[in-house]
Amino acid sequence: DIQLTQSPSSLSASVGDRVTITCRASQGINNYLAWFQQKPGKAPKSLIYGASGLQSGVPSRFSGSVSGTDFTLTISSLQPEDFATYYCQQYKTYPLTFGQGTRLEIK
Amino acid sequence: EVQLVESGGGLVKPGGSLTLSCAASGFTFVTYMMNWVRQAPGKGLEWVSSITSTGSHIYYADSLKGRFTVSRDNARNSLSLRMNSLRAEDTAVYYCVRAVGYYDTSGYYSLPYFDYWGQGSLVTVSS
Repeated sequence: DIQLTQSPSSLSASVGDRVTITCRASQGINNYLAWFQQKPGKAPKSLIYGASGLQSGVPSRFSGSVSGTDFTLTISSLQPEDFATYYCQQYKTYPLTFGQGTRLEIK
Repeated sequence: EVQLVESGGGLVKPGGSLTLSCAASGFTFVTYMMNWVRQAPGKGLEWVSSITSTGSHIYYADSLKGRFTVSRDNARNSLSLRMNSLRAEDTAVYYCVRAVGYYDTSGYYSLPYFDYWGQGSLVTVSS
């Protein structure tokens, strides 16, 4: 199975900060990586697909990038509504797997 | 507007069975791969099962060991998950999720990714 390791597990930041979350895959996944945002008590929401494609309706302050098997989600200027938990997920092969999540909290 | 509405969750005793349903609307259901993803209380996301648009290919997480069966009715725009021999560790919110492919930068049609999620249905396994 492909393992996805997210770092950090939790992060405190302030409104306006630039934030980066990393997801490392245990093997190559050909950019078949997605990012999701989940707020407490709500369903996850798609943010990024194909490592860097922005899902329709998602603000442009969200972006994704890749270097080898290291994937990055960047929020350029944190807004109050961005405080949530973020998950990466690979869809290169079954079983589909998720990272363990990164909780983004208000400092 | 894409809508995925799960139903059928509830409290069930260990060893019991339950069937979840997902009613889809706002898109051409028959052309999309559909999936189930679950989340135990306070835990992360776990993929459960996927079924292709025609139902010709079905995939399950190894941990389910044949206890779960996914199916779809394209005439009724619905997805189902039959869960047997339920255990306490199956307690979770179960999400119905649509998956879609796209043309990547090389011009190839990609594997499907999760684009829309339902609101979830809570299954509690407890005596």
